[in-house]
Amino acid sequence: QVVLTQSPSASASLGASVKLTCTLSSGHSTYGIAWHQQQPEKAPRYLMKVNSDGSLNKGDGIPDRFSGSSSGTERYLTISSLQSDDEADYYCQAWGALVVFGGGTKLTVL
Amino acid sequence: EVQLLDSGGGLVQPGGSLRLACAASGFTFSNYAMSWVRQAPGKGLEWVSSISGSGGTTQYTDSVKGRFTISRDNSKNTLYLQMSSLRAEDTAVYYCAKRDHGDNVGGLLHCWGQGTLVTVSS
Repeated sequence: QVVLTQSPSASASLGASVKLTCTLSSGHSTYGIAWHQQQPEKAPRYLMKVNSDGSLNKGDGIPDRFSGSSSGTERYLTISSLQSDDEADYYCQAWGALVVFGGGTKLTVL
Repeated sequence: EVQLLDSGGGLVQPGGSLRLACAASGFTFSNYAMSWVRQAPGKGLEWVSSISGSGGTTQYTDSVKGRFTISRDNSKNTLYLQMSSLRAEDTAVYYCAKRDHGDNVGGLLHCWGQGTLVTVSS
């Protein structure tokens, strides 16, 4: 079963860019993943799917400031022109035999 | 517009039972697999269970096998989670979620309900 690893925290300044990483366990480099955003006290929201070839499938209404990319077993979420309401928890999700989540990254906007 | 409305949460004693529901609208419910995901206080997201569009295939995380049952009523566009033998560690907000496309169990979760809080305590 695939395992997803995320750094627990990240921070960046207002207006800057940040790149979050989701690492797939060895042997799962062909997997795509989904990124979900969870703002404080809210339900998660689907952001995008990142395929192993770097192609994306973004959710409805997701701003262009949010983008994704891929390299080997790593899947990335890049947020540019950071805004205060980007401060949230970001989870990656994969699906194989079962649905799997990473531990989440708490993003602080300074 | 796709909408998922979770309900049925509440306070229940250890060993008790509870049934959660998720009312779906805005899409052809029977064409999509559905899942339940939970989040304990201060913790991350944890997948709980999934069901295929027809209801014929189900999956569970190990910690709830034999205690929770996922089901759906496609005539009522409603997903259910019957929870029994509840434990303190089942305390969480429970979210239903819709698969992006297809009725095979599991998959990419594309749309979320607002969540319903289950508290297991004496």
